[in-house]
Amino acid sequence: DGGITQSPKYLFRKEGQNVTLSCEQNLNHDAMYWYRQDPGQGLRLIYYSQIVNDFQKGDIAEGYSVSREKKESFPLTVTSAQKNPTAFYLCASSIAGGPVGELFFGEGSRLTVL
Amino acid sequence: DQQVKQNSPSLSVQEGRISILNCDYTNSMFDYFLWYKKYPAEGPTFLISISSIKDKNEDGRFTVFLNKSAKHLSLHIVPSQPGDSAVYFCAAILSGTYKYIFGTGTRLKVLA
Repeated sequence: DGGITQSPKYLFRKEGQNVTLSCEQNLNHDAMYWYRQDPGQGLRLIYYSQIVNDFQKGDIAEGYSVSREKKESFPLTVTSAQKNPTAFYLCASSIAGGPVGELFFGEGSRLTVL
Repeated sequence: DQQVKQNSPSLSVQEGRISILNCDYTNSMFDYFLWYKKYPAEGPTFLISISSIKDKNEDGRFTVFLNKSAKHLSLHIVPSQPGDSAVYFCAAILSGTYKYIFGTGTRLKVLA
């Protein structure tokens, strides 16, 4: 089945450690996205990528980094510079280069910093 | 600066009645709008969308209305069902980009 797979679903990290969240899609979508969800703040855009080897900062990119070496993969690294990393992280993808359409989301990864 | 706002954090509706969820935006360069439904600890799922050249779009029990002059859109669910209980997000796309901006969400509770 086509879809978006995020891993791990739950992750615990000590303060000062970097952690990488995986996102893989087999929908052949060009564009991929990372959002963060916090209570009462909705979904905030961290980074997005419209094509391989290119990505743009979203509204809250500080303390995060991404790479887009393959069309199907868009990993997110939460660095120690991110001051409040505990959150629910969502990866999404969409078709690019044609009519704008819906975003397809993964199941999410919950990161807790101890 | 929140460009897409959902000013009602929660809404309760009796089963069978109409649910109306509202969304306001500030950027006139948004040209496409979507509504998503989200259950806890899951990814959002797409419900319905509307282009800025239209003022209404229907899909079964769901209708989205767009008032461009007021920079306002709304989602109507008729009739509401207990399974509709979830958090609803509106989203807008900046013209010429694939940048989706989401609102803060409204938690809908449909009472049986």
